[in-house]
Amino acid sequence: DVKVTQSSRYLVKRTGEKVFLECVQDMDHENMFWYRQDPGLGLRLIYFSYDVKMKEKGDIPEGYSVSREKKERFSLILESASTNQTSMYLCASSWTGPSNQPQHFGDGTRLSIL
Amino acid sequence: GENVEQHPSTLSVQEGDSAVIKCTYSDSASNYFPWYKQELGKRPQLIIDIRSNVGEKKDQRIAVTLNKTAKHFSLHITETQPEDSAVYFCAAPPGGQNFVFGPGTRLSVLP
Repeated sequence: DVKVTQSSRYLVKRTGEKVFLECVQDMDHENMFWYRQDPGLGLRLIYFSYDVKMKEKGDIPEGYSVSREKKERFSLILESASTNQTSMYLCASSWTGPSNQPQHFGDGTRLSIL
Repeated sequence: GENVEQHPSTLSVQEGDSAVIKCTYSDSASNYFPWYKQELGKRPQLIIDIRSNVGEKKDQRIAVTLNKTAKHFSLHITETQPEDSAVYFCAAPPGGQNFVFGPGTRLSVLP
């Protein structure tokens, strides 16, 4: 079974802090994704990566950056946290096949910015 | 780019009745359509998916139908049970390996 592990279930930070959210997958998947989930808005893609050191902007990249130094780990960075970044953050991974493959999600990190 | 709409946003059914959730997409090149179920406080989990070379797929009480001409696909749940209560998301790929998700449907199965 695929396991996607996010480092924290709950996190509380202050405005202006630099925040790191970590995600690790154990299935040697090439692709990794960061989403934020807000009520009524579904899952919105922040960034994704299809290989080590590669990254692509999603629909809402402003205020975020990412890092993928190893295949199994994908980090989301809030450079200077703001209250409008309070949200649920979900990490996902998938492998690259001849056609699209399902994404497997972590349990999420509920981030509160005070 | 891909746009995915999902209806209804909320759905209440009596236990034992059927539930249908419909999604429309805009990119005619999309060829893979997954459905995810997210129970309260848990991760989204894939429950069924369909590829564009088939029109219908079933797995016990759930089924997905695809109409490529009209660019819509639907989730059908029969004989609903209280444990089917959750938020359901559809998705479509805009090209590449990422997905665009619908806004979700909150299904409540009433005893």
